[in-house]
Amino acid sequence: EVHLVESGGGLVQPGGSLRLSCAASGFTFSSYAMSWVRQAPGKGLEWVSSITSSGVNTYYADSVKGRFTISRDNSKNTLYLQMNSLRAEDTAVYFCANGGIVVLDVWGQGTTVTVSS
Amino acid sequence: NFILTQPHSVSESPGKTVTISCTRSSGNIASNYVQWYQQRPGSAPTTVIYEDNQRPSGVPDRFSGSIDSSSNSASLTISGLKTEDEADYYCQSYDSNSGVFGGGTKLTVL
Repeated sequence: EVHLVESGGGLVQPGGSLRLSCAASGFTFSSYAMSWVRQAPGKGLEWVSSITSSGVNTYYADSVKGRFTISRDNSKNTLYLQMNSLRAEDTAVYFCANGGIVVLDVWGQGTTVTVSS
Repeated sequence: NFILTQPHSVSESPGKTVTISCTRSSGNIASNYVQWYQQRPGSAPTTVIYEDNQRPSGVPDRFSGSIDSSSNSASLTISGLKTEDEADYYCQSYDSNSGVFGGGTKLTVL
């Protein structure tokens, strides 16, 4: 069974940094593109970033481009999202999902990021 | 980029059929696959339709998806509504470099 577990969320001050992780199991991680999607409190889903199976190609929403970096370690079956220069509007639950920009298959339960002073 | 527009909310009675629309603002809806995700309160999203009209294993055949090029929209139809279908539903598509979600539709089954 596919299982995705996010971690690394928390409270951070504006301008700060945070790194999210997503531990994957139950499928051949290195064969799948992966993505991050976020949901601000009371709002809808927003695609954030995707990475190809090899990690060679990455894609970002305009709202996070230049501040967030997606990466993966296929030897550890883990997806990452490095978030820098955080803003209040980045406050959200961050979900990882297996799949790229085309189709998202299975989603994790999410980790909460709060940006506040 | 384009925008996917969904109705904010729909409601219907148990046993009935409901259709949720998702209209693409520019570009051909048929050019890129459309997916549909269900999100119950307090839970992560799950996929109910992928590649316009395909159901993942475990999703009942009461759920179906379609594309209408004349209206440049996709639709999710749920027949034989059950109270457990009450949730938020999001359509999703993409272009060459990014994913795009619709704003979501709250389905109330009453």
